[in-house]
Amino acid sequence: GQNIDQPTEMTATEGAIVQINCTYQTSGFNGLFWYQQHAGEAPTFLSYNVLDGLEEKGRFSSFLSRSKGYSYLLLKELQMKDSASYLCASRDNYGQNFVFGPGTRLSVLP
Amino acid sequence: ETGVTQTPRHLVMGMTNKKSLKCEQHLGHNAMYWYKQSAKKPLELMFVYNFKEQTENNSVPSRFSPECPNSSHLFLHLHTLQPEDSALYLCASSQLIAESTDTQYFGPGTRLTVL
Repeated sequence: GQNIDQPTEMTATEGAIVQINCTYQTSGFNGLFWYQQHAGEAPTFLSYNVLDGLEEKGRFSSFLSRSKGYSYLLLKELQMKDSASYLCASRDNYGQNFVFGPGTRLSVLP
Repeated sequence: ETGVTQTPRHLVMGMTNKKSLKCEQHLGHNAMYWYKQSAKKPLELMFVYNFKEQTENNSVPSRFSPECPNSSHLFLHLHTLQPEDSALYLCASSQLIAESTDTQYFGPGTRLTVL
């Protein structure tokens, strides 16, 4: 079966660093995606990992360990506008099917 | 117009009504998707079209009927829906479904309420 777990909610302070974890169990694997979704808006693509290791994109970084079925999204120098839901998603071997986690709602406090 | 657009943005319908959701992508992509997002539940993939051909149907009830006349347009026809079908319906598109670097771009969604 397909299963993706993320914490439901997290809170952090402006300027801090936060790590959002994601564990996945899927029948096949062809990439791990992170999306950001502000309330009432569409998800927007943040990052993609298919090989083990860290991918850095400005204030956002994403890490993948395929052997552990584990990924995290690291947000540095948090800003108020980073308050949103962060969705972890995996894609299967055939690239046909995307499975999303429940999302982590991040609140950034002043 | 750029990106992925969806109409209508909000829809209220009775259980006996028939309505259609429309999605259009202006990105030159060849794969399109319908997702359902319910409160407190993960985003659920409903249908996938690749080069106008349906490649995925994730056990979606027949009261939801997709149509993809070309690579730029995607419809979701709705009939005899249930109140539990109330949700945000998101459309997405991507360049090439089998490529590992494929990224999906989402539309703003249609907020559907079934009375």
